[in-house]
Amino acid sequence: GENVEQHPSTLSVQEGDSAVIKCTYSDSASNYFPWYKQELGKGPQLIIDIRSNVGEKKDQRIAVTLNKTAKHFSLHITETQPEDSAVYFCAARAGRRALTFGSGTRLQVQP
Amino acid sequence: DAGVIQSPRHEVTEMGQEVTLRCKPISGHNSLFWYRQTMMRGLELLIYFNNNVPIDDSGMPEDRFSAKMPNASFSTLKIQPSEPRDSAVYFCASSPSRLAGDEQYFGPGTRLTVT
Repeated sequence: GENVEQHPSTLSVQEGDSAVIKCTYSDSASNYFPWYKQELGKGPQLIIDIRSNVGEKKDQRIAVTLNKTAKHFSLHITETQPEDSAVYFCAARAGRRALTFGSGTRLQVQP
Repeated sequence: DAGVIQSPRHEVTEMGQEVTLRCKPISGHNSLFWYRQTMMRGLELLIYFNNNVPIDDSGMPEDRFSAKMPNASFSTLKIQPSEPRDSAVYFCASSPSRLAGDEQYFGPGTRLTVT
């Protein structure tokens, strides 16, 4: 089955700096790659997703890039703010199978 | 829309007791998922339903776990008997898509503690 690895497990940045979280996947048939943000005491919330026919997608301060050849995708957050502090999960889906989640990255934005 | 609703938000029970977790998906969504989250194992899919029918329950840890979806607006996850290792946060999620891996909307979770 699919295996998703996520790095780093923790990330601390200064407010205003950029943050990058990277994931790799194993199944070349994977075609959907969402990113979720989980704040303390809440469920994960979808923040952006990308499909395999697109190499990059942006939504304001967040962007996701996908390299199908290398089987990795990344989340980029620019101009980080304290409210970006949370745990971020990547996930991948192959065909009609369910999502496989990465292990999560705890992002801390220092004011 | 109120989003996915889960109850209770917290449950503390003794080993051997039956536990029932409840979920109301977003109206109009076709698929419903139950996940378990722990520090050790991360976010694990337990089971998912499409149009109220269980599609994949391969993630259900053992026979002590069972899930039902009697109608489009309600699902339960039952653990009987409960054990301390079942302690975790259980999330319900729903999706407007019939595909298991498309966008999912998570509820706030139920934090289960089994002593």
